[in-house]
Amino acid sequence: ILNVEQSPQSLHVQEGDSTNFTCSFPSSNFYALHWYRWETAKSPEALFVMTLNGDEKKKGRISATLNTKEGYSYLYIKGSQPEDSATYLCACPPSGGGADGLTFGKGTHLIIQP
Amino acid sequence: DTGVSQDPRHKITKRGQNVTFRCDPISEHNRLYWYRQTLGQGPEFLTYFQNEAQLEKSRLLSDRFSAERPKGSFSTLEIQRTEQGDSAMYLCASSSRKTSGANVLTFGAGSRLTVL
Repeated sequence: ILNVEQSPQSLHVQEGDSTNFTCSFPSSNFYALHWYRWETAKSPEALFVMTLNGDEKKKGRISATLNTKEGYSYLYIKGSQPEDSATYLCACPPSGGGADGLTFGKGTHLIIQP
Repeated sequence: DTGVSQDPRHKITKRGQNVTFRCDPISEHNRLYWYRQTLGQGPEFLTYFQNEAQLEKSRLLSDRFSAERPKGSFSTLEIQRTEQGDSAMYLCASSSRKTSGANVLTFGAGSRLTVL
């Protein structure tokens, strides 16, 4: 069973400020790292899937980095807006890949305060 | 295609009753997953199908739980003799034909179960 951890558990950020949070995962037999955003009353939505060490992906004001050697990924949000309020989840597939179920972290619950 | 649909969105039941949830995945996706999410936790994997074949079941899936995907399209998750500990959000997701663990999952909005 993979151990995927996220911190902090919750985060309050002023509108306009930038923020970041962390996902840590086992570095051995790494295959991929997924980030999802889950807004209240909606479906979890895929943000990024990252596979290469040093990879950086960007989607609008949101970006993510990946360090597979030390087993962590950062998610950054620049200039937070109220619509960024959501739970951000990271997840890994089983060691070596395969289509079996992802192991999710507990999420970072982000609240943007106007 | 309107994405992954789940029904019902909310279900309140009494302990001991049976409940069934339905998931309609994206039509061209051959993989379908069930997850359960409880308060303060991330989604926990329950089971997945490739076409109509159930290929993996988590140990979280007790004998009271059964999932089917009879024609490789929609899937049902049945919980028999519900217990209060079954109260959770049940999420369905689907993904494409690739076999990689890098496949993006497309989730439904979930079915929230409350067992009284």
